[in-house]
Amino acid sequence: EAGVAQSPRYKIIEKRQSVAFWCNPISGHATLYWYQQILGQGPKLLIQFQNNGVVDDSQLPKDRFSAERLKGVDSTLKIQPAKLEDSAVYLCASSLVLDLLRYEQYFGPGTRLTVT
Amino acid sequence: GQSLEQPSEVTAVEGAIVQINCTYQTSGFYGLSWYQQHDGGAPTFLSYNGLDGLEETGRFSSFLSRSDSYGYLLLQELQMKDSASYFCAVYHGGATNKLIFGTGTLLAVQP
Repeated sequence: EAGVAQSPRYKIIEKRQSVAFWCNPISGHATLYWYQQILGQGPKLLIQFQNNGVVDDSQLPKDRFSAERLKGVDSTLKIQPAKLEDSAVYLCASSLVLDLLRYEQYFGPGTRLTVT
Repeated sequence: GQSLEQPSEVTAVEGAIVQINCTYQTSGFYGLSWYQQHDGGAPTFLSYNGLDGLEETGRFSSFLSRSDSYGYLLLQELQMKDSASYFCAVYHGGATNKLIFGTGTLLAVQP
């Protein structure tokens, strides 16, 4: 089965520019997550979708970050305008809850963003 | 609030056994997960404990004690390829269905 796909893998932009990341989850996975991982830290959840609805966006800086998941499949995350502190790896993950004794998230390769 | 604590770094030699501990404070706890992440790579699933006790998968085992809000990952017969960061993560199930990750433990396996 194909894994979670993300693009681009790397992006370098100047501060105040905009950038967009794309994610295609594993087929059939209803839940999609976007994480921000700063060097040396654990992944931080930015936004969670269930099908095409937002479940949790409490840690998304909504003044500059936006995300959508049209048709409940692939998703885009946008930053506009970017700041230096947005330099991080942006990870997309998807999950399928089988039962309470088994839970796993599947991660894409991530997009490494450098803001200069 | 929610918090997870794990050691920042651990060093061990090939062939040895290492234990990475994780303590947590959270509400809505369903289970504890462990993920491995090599430098420049994506996190990959290692284990999930939904019940108290020990789960074993090959060289890796994971333990959970809900009463102590504590878990650990045990890696046996260490290999050089086990050098990576290891994250514990609390699973919030039900309507929430999300993971909250710790800050990670960097494991260095030496020859």
